[in-house]
Amino acid sequence: QQQVKQSPQSLIVQKGGISIINCAYENTAFDYFPWYQQFPGKGPALLIAIRPDVSEKKEGRFTISFNKSAKQFSLHIMDSQPGDSATYFCAASFNDYKLSFGAGTTVTVRA
Amino acid sequence: NAGVTQTPKFRVLKTGQSMTLLCAQDMNHEYMYWYRQDPGMGLRLIHYSVGEGTTAKGEVPDGYNVSRLKKQNFLLGLESAAPSQTSVYFCASSYELVGLKGNQPQHFGDGTRLSIL
Repeated sequence: QQQVKQSPQSLIVQKGGISIINCAYENTAFDYFPWYQQFPGKGPALLIAIRPDVSEKKEGRFTISFNKSAKQFSLHIMDSQPGDSATYFCAASFNDYKLSFGAGTTVTVRA
Repeated sequence: NAGVTQTPKFRVLKTGQSMTLLCAQDMNHEYMYWYRQDPGMGLRLIHYSVGEGTTAKGEVPDGYNVSRLKKQNFLLGLESAAPSQTSVYFCASSYELVGLKGNQPQHFGDGTRLSIL
């Protein structure tokens, strides 16, 4: 049983559009929420992460929004580019080293 | 700078055969992990290690064994391979926790694609 539920499974967006991926969790002990990006044939790589003491974190075109009361967090990719086409995984942990991953979202950016 | 290196990259086994997957990291990380990635299920933790000579079970440990004899290496073994173990296996490593709020990203290798017939 996955501790972090991720949606949608896949999405297609036009170049310049906004991609939004949502994740929900049940374990209120989670205190670290990273997002990983994975390109075909490669391992995942950390993209951006947030802790529950802030509601939003932005790094370039990537933003995490966090809603502690709803136990939800989301990744927004602004001005999506073809190079953003990848699979994105949300994750959560409560001790910073054992991560529980979502099922992943495959993002395709059409030029 | 190699980071995390996994060997082999691809392997086909027959049911009942055994094999060992090797993970090596050159970042002097204390923590190492083995995951399996299956479609629609994300990454699931098989076993992990918090230091040389230590191992612990993760979320899906059955059918696998691990060893961490040297800090830089983490081996994953399949004693009697089953078709259900067909998957892509990823090794990762990270620094130890820094205080109570340490934020240590996991660094992943490029995976081993394993097919069991």
